[in-house]
Amino acid sequence: QQQVKQSPQSLIVQKGGISIINCAYENTAFDYFPWYQQFPGKGPALLIAIRPDVSEKKEGRFTISFNKSAKQFSLHIMDSQPGDSATYFCAAKFGGTSYGKLTFGQGTILTVHP
Amino acid sequence: DTAVSQTPKYLVTQMGNDKSIKCEQNLGHDTMYWYKQDSKKFLKIMFSYNNKELIINETVPNRFSPKSPDKAHLNLHINSLELGDSAVYFCASSHFPGGSYNSPLHFGNGTRLTVT
Repeated sequence: QQQVKQSPQSLIVQKGGISIINCAYENTAFDYFPWYQQFPGKGPALLIAIRPDVSEKKEGRFTISFNKSAKQFSLHIMDSQPGDSATYFCAAKFGGTSYGKLTFGQGTILTVHP
Repeated sequence: DTAVSQTPKYLVTQMGNDKSIKCEQNLGHDTMYWYKQDSKKFLKIMFSYNNKELIINETVPNRFSPKSPDKAHLNLHINSLELGDSAVYFCASSHFPGGSYNSPLHFGNGTRLTVT
């Protein structure tokens, strides 16, 4: 019940295209949904985050869409650039008695071709 | 200034050895974590400390022992290293356990452990 399922495992997009990564969860007690971006040799860094009372959050070219009833959320990268090539992780924090553990999806390796 | 720093960056050792990884954060956070990233890039929490108190201890072999001497430091000691321990280990910190909308987790750049 504390799992977050992420798809696809890998994604190849042309420069200027839209990248879409999807995540699904089971436990309705999750109360915080961040996305992290990781470049090779670096640690994950927060990209954008959303709370479950909001259906969409946009920051520049990055948008999170949140569907509470379907228990799904997705990351959209508009006008994808080669510099966006990285591994992306969705995550969810369980707000119950498990001391706020942040659980990560399996990751998506995004490659943007020039 | 590096917010969360880990040492060493690379660690190559033989099976059966004991090794330690150190982590320091200068963000004034109360909570620190160890995450393990396997070869498929899956990130899994191992331990979490809040104000030097262990609050999360996932199903990790007891060969792994974390220690938090103060809120800014969290070390990881591994005894009797095995081949399967090879992975990248990330330290992270946040104001609140699990992070929050206004206080996300900040990760270090990882320690790549290779056990031969």
